[in-house]
Amino acid sequence: GENVEQHPSTLSVQEGDSAVIKCTYSDSASNYFPWYKQELGKRPQLIIDIRSNVGEKKDQRIAVTLNKTAKHFSLHITETQPEDSAVYFCAANPGYSTLTFGKGTMLLVSP
Amino acid sequence: EPEVTQTPSHQVTQMGQEVILRCVPISNHLYFYWYRQILGQKVEFLVSFYNNEISEKSEIFDDQFSVERPDGSNFTLKIRSTKLEDSAMYFCASSEGVRGRSPLHFGNGTRLTVT
Repeated sequence: GENVEQHPSTLSVQEGDSAVIKCTYSDSASNYFPWYKQELGKRPQLIIDIRSNVGEKKDQRIAVTLNKTAKHFSLHITETQPEDSAVYFCAANPGYSTLTFGKGTMLLVSP
Repeated sequence: EPEVTQTPSHQVTQMGQEVILRCVPISNHLYFYWYRQILGQKVEFLVSFYNNEISEKSEIFDDQFSVERPDGSNFTLKIRSTKLEDSAMYFCASSEGVRGRSPLHFGNGTRLTVT
């Protein structure tokens, strides 16, 4: 099955800095890559997703890039704000199966 | 915006007891899922359900677990004889389209504590 590795496990940045979270996946059949944000004690919420026919997708301060050859994808958050503090999970889906999540990155944005 | 709803929000049970966790998926969604998250760890897949049957399950989803869609709206997870290690947050999710290729919408979760 699919295996998703996520780094770093924690990331501390100053408000206004950029944050980058990286994930790798193992199954070359994976074709859908969502990112979820989970605030403490709350549900994971989809913030952005990308499909394998696209290399990059942007939504305001959030962008995701995908390198199919290297089997990795990244989340980029620019101009970070304290409310961006949360745990971020990447996930991958090989189409024949359901989503496999990474272990999560705790992002801390200091004012 | 429609949401997945789960009840109860918290459930405390004694080891060996049966629990039923309830979910109401988003009404036009076709795929339903249960995931669990042990405190501080990643979200782990348990089972997916489509067209009134299990379409996929993980190694975690052993014989003590079962799922059911008893009517047109509810989707339940039953744990027959709970163990201490079943303590976790259980999330129900649903998606509109093809399994795994449409965004998952999660409920707020049920925190299960087994004592």
